[in-house]
Amino acid sequence: KAGVTQTPRYLIKTRGQQVTLSCSPISGHRSVSWYQQTPGQGLQFLFEYFSETQRNKGNFPGRFSGRQFSNSRSEMNVSTLELGDSALYLCASSLTGTGDGGNTIYFGEGSWLTVV
Amino acid sequence: DAKTTQPPSMDCAEGRAANLPCNHSTISGNEYVYWYRQIHSQGPQYIIHGLKNNETNEMASLIITEDRKSSTLILPHATLRDTAVYYCIVRVPGSGGYQKVTFGIGTKLQVIP
Repeated sequence: KAGVTQTPRYLIKTRGQQVTLSCSPISGHRSVSWYQQTPGQGLQFLFEYFSETQRNKGNFPGRFSGRQFSNSRSEMNVSTLELGDSALYLCASSLTGTGDGGNTIYFGEGSWLTVV
Repeated sequence: DAKTTQPPSMDCAEGRAANLPCNHSTISGNEYVYWYRQIHSQGPQYIIHGLKNNETNEMASLIITEDRKSSTLILPHATLRDTAVYYCIVRVPGSGGYQKVTFGIGTKLQVIP
């Protein structure tokens, strides 16, 4: 059974540009959540999508957005990139979502974004 | 946001059992305890989870105290490949009535040859 797949694995962008990251969840999983990991702030929750609807959001500015498609695949977008956006962006999927305590969340390998 | 407390680092001799503690004194009755680990530059890997009873799988054992205020992850025979950051997490309330997953700093386990 394939795991959570994220693309691209590595990318470099310039300040002011925008970036789109893609995530394919495990087959049958309807919830996709996104996280940002930096050395200084650790692993922080960005948002969660379930059945194409955002139902949970972390404390990030509006430059960070996402969406989910009918096949549960998800994308996240960061506009007007800043140097501080350099991070590992992780996607995770689960059957029913982070609200179900007994529902395991599985992570992808992440997308390394460097903003120069 | 994190509701768990873990020691920042631990060492373990190769072949010995690694016992990683986690304090979650404010856990509520229906919250699960999850353990993940992250090897440098990779995504977090699920290890095990539990609610009240002790759990065991092919990777590890999870011991939860009777009052559920703390737990211990046990790697029975640590290998060098077990060197990683180990995260103990509980589900915390998020916006819209749904819970979000919050990671603390975790425990950096160094397995020594």
